[in-house]
Amino acid sequence: KAGVTQTPRYLIKTRGQQVTLSCSPISGHRSVSWYQQTPGQGLQFLFEYFSETQRNKGNFPGRFSGRQFSNSRSEMNVSTLELGDSALYLCASSRRDSTEAFFGQGTRLTVV
Amino acid sequence: AQKITQTQPGMFVQEKEAVTLDCTYDTSDPSYGLFWYKQPSSGEMIFLIYQGSYDQQNATEGRYSLNFQKARKSANLVISASQLGDSAMYFCAMRGRRTNAGGTSYGKLTFGQGTILTVHP
Repeated sequence: KAGVTQTPRYLIKTRGQQVTLSCSPISGHRSVSWYQQTPGQGLQFLFEYFSETQRNKGNFPGRFSGRQFSNSRSEMNVSTLELGDSALYLCASSRRDSTEAFFGQGTRLTVV
Repeated sequence: AQKITQTQPGMFVQEKEAVTLDCTYDTSDPSYGLFWYKQPSSGEMIFLIYQGSYDQQNATEGRYSLNFQKARKSANLVISASQLGDSAMYFCAMRGRRTNAGGTSYGKLTFGQGTILTVHP
């Protein structure tokens, strides 16, 4: 059974650019959540999608957005990148009726 | 609101010994789940163990056990017979559980700051 797949694994972008990260959940999982991990702030919740609908959103500026497709794959977009957006972005998938959340290997974004 | 506190920034243990990683929590949700994840240097968050707030017995998964004390709001992870490969960052996390006419759903995961475990040979 394939796990959660995040692409790309590493990314270097320049301030002001935009970036799109992708997450393919475990087959059969319809819930996808995104988290940002930084040394200073730790792990922070960005948003959660279920059946193509955003169900929950964390306290991040509007530059952070996401979507989910009919096959449950999710994308996260960050526009007008800032240096502080440098982080490890983790995606987790779960079944709606299950408490367990399984994570991908993350995308490490560096903004220069 | 939910809060997870891990008071041990770093822990050291000798190979083959047991170690306890501390976690206390606070929540207004009447029903919730508690988790421990392991994060090696590669970055992936590896699920270790889960405890439901209404589970009568402490959870165990191989060498991992969760010492759940609801009245004290603590959910400590015990790793028995430590191995060199256990060296990693460990996170305690929780999520609320809600049941309504539409079924059961779970809130976001709230994480602690983590504990770096180093296993010495």
